[in-house]
Amino acid sequence: SYVLTQPPSVSVAPGQTARITCGGNNIGSKSVHWYQQKPGQAPVLVVYDDSDRPSGIPERFSGSNSGNTATLTISRVEAGDEADYYCQVWDSSSDHPHVVFGGGTKLTVL
Amino acid sequence: QVQLVQSGAEVKKPGASVKVSCKASGYTFTSYGISWVRQAPGQGLEWMGWISAYNGNTNYAQKLQGRVTMTTDTSTSTAYMELRSLRSDDTAVYYCARDRIAAAVDWFDPWGQGTLVTVSS
Repeated sequence: SYVLTQPPSVSVAPGQTARITCGGNNIGSKSVHWYQQKPGQAPVLVVYDDSDRPSGIPERFSGSNSGNTATLTISRVEAGDEADYYCQVWDSSSDHPHVVFGGGTKLTVL
Repeated sequence: QVQLVQSGAEVKKPGASVKVSCKASGYTFTSYGISWVRQAPGQGLEWMGWISAYNGNTNYAQKLQGRVTMTTDTSTSTAYMELRSLRSDDTAVYYCARDRIAAAVDWFDPWGQGTLVTVSS
């Protein structure tokens, strides 16, 4: 079964750049999507298809995907960016295609 | 605006069933799919399965096969998820989310507000 690996936590000072990674075997061949989840709220899509942003998501959020690692980059981090972030792919390689989520990364703004 | 509104919290005993609804508005219901995702307390996201609102095709997570059924009512633009033989580890917040298209699973936007299902004797 396909596994996505995220660091449990990332800390960054306000105004700096946060990079959250999502590791998977040859993940560069898949489309990766990222969600932001604040406490007590439903997840929100912040990046889809590796690097596209839904309408309403600030340009500070960007994504990349190559080789075995996809990365969500948040520039000029603000206090309001503090949240859990999850990566997601569609695994069509197994006998039973299914959605895979990473374990999530808690972003702390110092 | 596109919106998914879910039914309210449920408390069930082990062995019982629960059925959660997800009413869609602001878009053509049959042009998209609906996925269901759950989140146990303090844990990450777990995909449960998907249903096409266009033709009713489904794809369930292997670990839930035989216990979960997803359906839609196109007359009311509502999706349903029923989970049977509930256990304590089914205690979670259950989310519905709109898929990008009707024919396959891709990314999810938007999500419903979540429904807390508590399984306790």
